[in-house]
Amino acid sequence: SQTIHQWPATLVQPVGSPLSLECTVEGTSNPNLYWYRQAAGRGLQLLFYSVGIGQISSEVPQNLSASRPQDRQFILSSKKLLLSDSGFYLCAWSEDREQETQYFGPGTRLLVL
Amino acid sequence: GNSVTQMEGPVTLSEEAFLTINCTYTATGYPSLFWYVQYPGEGLQLLLKATKADDKGSNKGFEATYRKETTSFHLEKGSVQVSDSAVYFCALSDISNSGYALNFGKGTSLLVTP
Repeated sequence: SQTIHQWPATLVQPVGSPLSLECTVEGTSNPNLYWYRQAAGRGLQLLFYSVGIGQISSEVPQNLSASRPQDRQFILSSKKLLLSDSGFYLCAWSEDREQETQYFGPGTRLLVL
Repeated sequence: GNSVTQMEGPVTLSEEAFLTINCTYTATGYPSLFWYVQYPGEGLQLLLKATKADDKGSNKGFEATYRKETTSFHLEKGSVQVSDSAVYFCALSDISNSGYALNFGKGTSLLVTP
């Protein structure tokens, strides 16, 4: 069966520091991968989407970037964090042949101080 | 663009009460519809889905019917349990320049008391 992992689970970072969040998927190949952010009291916002290695689409302009160095690895990064980057970051995957249904990881809670 | 509107919470119910969480959508075409559940401190879990009009998705006693005529996908459960306390998100599939994405409602918090 497929599983999705995210780490770290929780992170507290000072403003201006770099960020690297990692997501990996097991039990499937060539998945579509997604990064969402859930800000406090708000819904989920799609940040990035990837259909394959090195292929990244950004949905909103922001302080963050994403990379996909391997088929089942998706990384969310920032060079300098802002206070507004605080939130709950969720990685998700979908089958290439059934893209509409997405499965989410446990999330990373980021607090920028 | 496509969007989802959910009833605002929090919803507080006693154990064994009937649950309805309203969800309506605006869409061009016929998107697939989903309900996700988020337990405290966790990620989202797919609860159920429906891919076309009149489809009924069901799981763990929850069900929702894709109603094209009313553009709705209300979540129901006949008898809730304390363990159902969570935040519930309605979502629809949408096609952007990047491919498929999910548009989520803002979520409805449910608290079930013994």
